[in-house]
Amino acid sequence: DAKTTQPNSMESNEEEPVHLPCNHSTISGTDYIHWYRQLPSQGPEYVIHGLTSNVNNRMASLAIAEDRKSSTLILHRATLRDAAVYYCILYNGGSQGNLIFGKGTKLSVKP
Amino acid sequence: GAVVSQHPSRVICKSGTSVKIECRSLDFQATTMFWYRQFPKQSLMLMATSNEGSKATYEQGVEKDKFLINHASLTLSTLTVTSAHPEDSSFYICSPGLLYNEQFFGPGTRLTVL
Repeated sequence: DAKTTQPNSMESNEEEPVHLPCNHSTISGTDYIHWYRQLPSQGPEYVIHGLTSNVNNRMASLAIAEDRKSSTLILHRATLRDAAVYYCILYNGGSQGNLIFGKGTKLSVKP
Repeated sequence: GAVVSQHPSRVICKSGTSVKIECRSLDFQATTMFWYRQFPKQSLMLMATSNEGSKATYEQGVEKDKFLINHASLTLSTLTVTSAHPEDSSFYICSPGLLYNEQFFGPGTRLTVL
């Protein structure tokens, strides 16, 4: 699976939008872009995923560059509960595969 | 979604003892279970993959005789850390893998070996 690059850490203020970047310049045409987050002392949880088009769900939005070499996870209004490590992962396999986690971005949210 | 539970959520044991961690899929049948280990301030590292009714496969550098994995049923996989030592202290997480483009994870088990 192709590699992703994320900043080690980011800070945000509560109730402000957060844009978490991810570079994946070696992405292949069949790689999906997945985002997961891990709250302290918990297992990771799914946030969102996409292939080419921007995606929205109740947790976040995913903006994918036209060349697909980068993407941005957008949290529209950060809350204290959003403080977590966010992982950007590429995956092109079928079901019952597993994702390979990099180091992710540790997001801190200040009140 | 798929609900995955782990038991215990945290355990403290003395060096040399064995610890069993259970991972249950509550609302689906898991033919495969991935076991991860996560040291403080590090990312998840895949340790092994268990398959129901057959032997587990281990990642390079993971001792199969130390980390015993049993996947006897479609709803239960267990990881036993044998003769645990302080360096085995970690956060252990199970996952049945991707289902419908989403990977579900257990809540994790914090192991502390004194």
